[in-house]
Amino acid sequence: DTAVSQTPKYLVTQMGNDKSIKCEQNLGHDTMYWYKQDSKKFLKIMFSYNNKELIINETVPNRFSPKSPDKAHLNLHINSLELGDSAVYFCASSQGGQSDTQYFGPGTRLTVL
Amino acid sequence: GNSVTQMEGPVTLSEEAFLTINCTYTATGYPSLFWYVQYPGEGLQLLLKATKADDKGSNKGFEATYRKETTSFHLEKGSVQVSDSAVYFCALNPGDTDKLIFGTGTRLQVFP
Repeated sequence: DTAVSQTPKYLVTQMGNDKSIKCEQNLGHDTMYWYKQDSKKFLKIMFSYNNKELIINETVPNRFSPKSPDKAHLNLHINSLELGDSAVYFCASSQGGQSDTQYFGPGTRLTVL
Repeated sequence: GNSVTQMEGPVTLSEEAFLTINCTYTATGYPSLFWYVQYPGEGLQLLLKATKADDKGSNKGFEATYRKETTSFHLEKGSVQVSDSAVYFCALNPGDTDKLIFGTGTRLQVFP
C-alpha cells in the first residue's frame, strides 16, 4: 500500500493554463505539506495543513491555492501557470511535531511550455 | 534565521570507499536534524534522524551525530555500494514552525 500518493506523476501544460495536483496519504497523519524542488534540486516548503487548517503559507504567489477536503487529502491548484512554475512538487505528511518524520510522495514533475 | 549548508557535489567514490558528506546548520533554537535520500526518479526517504545534542542516528550502515558545539550533522558510511548512488539532503526542523529546511543536496556517485 502506497503511504503518500500523488497524481499525476507528470504534467505538461501551456503558460496561462490552470492545473491541479492531488495528494492522498493513508498513514492517518494530521499534517500534510507541499514542497517545491527546482531544477537544481533545491527543496523549499510551500504550505502545510494540520487537520484541514492552513498552518504555513511560505510567501507563495496567490496563483497557488492548496485545498484540504479532509485530513487525508491535500490538493494543489495553480492558476495562470508561468514558465518559472516548472519544477517537481512533492507532497508529504507527518503526525506533526519537530522530531516526527515527514513521509514524501513520489513527486509530480510539472513542465510549463 | 535557520539554514543548512551542505558540501557541494558530486561526490564520486569507488565501491567500498569511506563516505563523509558534511552538513552544518544555523538555528535559533534546538532543531531536530535529518538526512533524507532521493534515488533517481523517486521521492525523498528518511535515512536517519537525531532530535537532541549528542544523539546518533543510524540506518543501513549510515551514521550521523548531532554535534551542538560545532553545529554539524555529518553523514558517514564505512563502505559504500553502487546502490548508494543518490542525492542526499540534510535538513532541520526548527520547532517553532513545523517544516523542514533543506540543504542544497549532495549527489553521490559510486562506481564499481
